[in-house]
Amino acid sequence: GIQVEQSPPDLILQEGANSTLRCNFSDSVNNLQWFHQNPWGQLINLFYIPSGTKQNGRLSATTVATERYSLLYISSSQTTDSGVYFCAVDSGTYKYIFGTGTRLKVLA
Amino acid sequence: DAEITQSPRHKITETGRQVTLACHQTWNHNNMFWYRQDLGHGLRLIHYSYGVQDTNKGEVSDGYSVSRSNTEDLPLTLESAASSQTSVYFCASSESVDRGYTFGSGTRLTVV
Repeated sequence: GIQVEQSPPDLILQEGANSTLRCNFSDSVNNLQWFHQNPWGQLINLFYIPSGTKQNGRLSATTVATERYSLLYISSSQTTDSGVYFCAVDSGTYKYIFGTGTRLKVLA
Repeated sequence: DAEITQSPRHKITETGRQVTLACHQTWNHNNMFWYRQDLGHGLRLIHYSYGVQDTNKGEVSDGYSVSRSNTEDLPLTLESAASSQTSVYFCASSESVDRGYTFGSGTRLTVV
């Protein structure tokens, strides 16, 4: 099956800093999502982005499907951005495979 | 407002008991999914359903079952709970492929 690798596994930032999270996948995918899991465990869908670039406030994402990777950019980070960021991919069967996540801590 | 709710939020059960975790959504989504989350493994798919009377096995389905008798509910049953099934369980639903998932708040299950 498809393998999903996320990097870095852990990231500590000072408030106001920018960061880039990466998701590599081992095979062609039809669908890709980014999620944020907050410190209380709630999973929130950030982007559905099988290809191209999307932006939502301070967050943006880019997927280059032909090169099998996606990037999540966080600008001007805030303490509320802390948590775990997951990338999930689907090869067309509408069953998403999740990476193991990037744990982000933003310090005030 | 439409929502997806899981119950209970926390449960402790004994090895060998049958346990059912509830998932109820009012989005009228056809697609529903159960995942478990464990440290070091991310989220792994247990079972999923594309509509009423449709159920399918995911990558870690052994020891679990689901049924789909209506659009709103996809209960997850652990036939005989084992300590290896101690985990956080998430239910998700989706209207279509291009809308992404909406997750419930999760159920933390401890098997002692």
